[in-house]
Amino acid sequence: DAKTTQPNSMESNEEEPVHLPCNHSTISGTDYIHWYRQLPSQGPEYVIHGLTSNVNNRMASLAIAEDRKSSTLILHRATLRDAAVYYCILNVNYGGSQGNLIFGKGTKLSVKP
Amino acid sequence: GAGVSQSPSNKVTEKGKDVELRCDPISGHTALYWYRQSLGQGLEFLIYFQGNSAPDKSGLPSDRFSAERTGGSVSTLTIQRTQQEDSAVYLCASSDLAGGITGELFFGEGSRLTVL
Repeated sequence: DAKTTQPNSMESNEEEPVHLPCNHSTISGTDYIHWYRQLPSQGPEYVIHGLTSNVNNRMASLAIAEDRKSSTLILHRATLRDAAVYYCILNVNYGGSQGNLIFGKGTKLSVKP
Repeated sequence: GAGVSQSPSNKVTEKGKDVELRCDPISGHTALYWYRQSLGQGLEFLIYFQGNSAPDKSGLPSDRFSAERTGGSVSTLTIQRTQQEDSAVYLCASSDLAGGITGELFFGEGSRLTVL
């Protein structure tokens, strides 16, 4: 299985941008890059995903390196509600139907007021 | 619409007892996943159902664990002869066909199992 590497923890100040890195050097051509986050005492929630091009949605932006061996989740203005564990996951695409998603330990983001 | 529903939200049991955990996925979602999360740990994949295909059971930690999905909808995770190390939050997720390609999973709130 393709694996990801993330820092264990990061800190940010409220209303500042946050860049959460993820390395996935063994990614294959059909693997999608997904980000989920888990707020305290809740199930994970989807944040964003991409394949090759950078992606933006209402929650965040995803910047994908040209060689796809790394990516960065960008929160443009961190709020206290963004404090969570962020998971970077590779979705192995089996002939158009995904297999299971393997979650690593993720990055615990702390946001200071 | 309703999200993924799990029951019970909390279960306390004695070592050696069997437990059943239920998951109601979002209506129409073809894929269903079970994960577990021990205290302070990441998510551990258990089992994955996709449509009528044989489930991917590669994550089940022992033969005490089993799961079924009836009628392509509701799923039950059964743990027989529970052990203290089975204590964890058991999370269910579902995704639709588009999600099956893009990977957007919708998670329930989880069932917290405590084995005394």
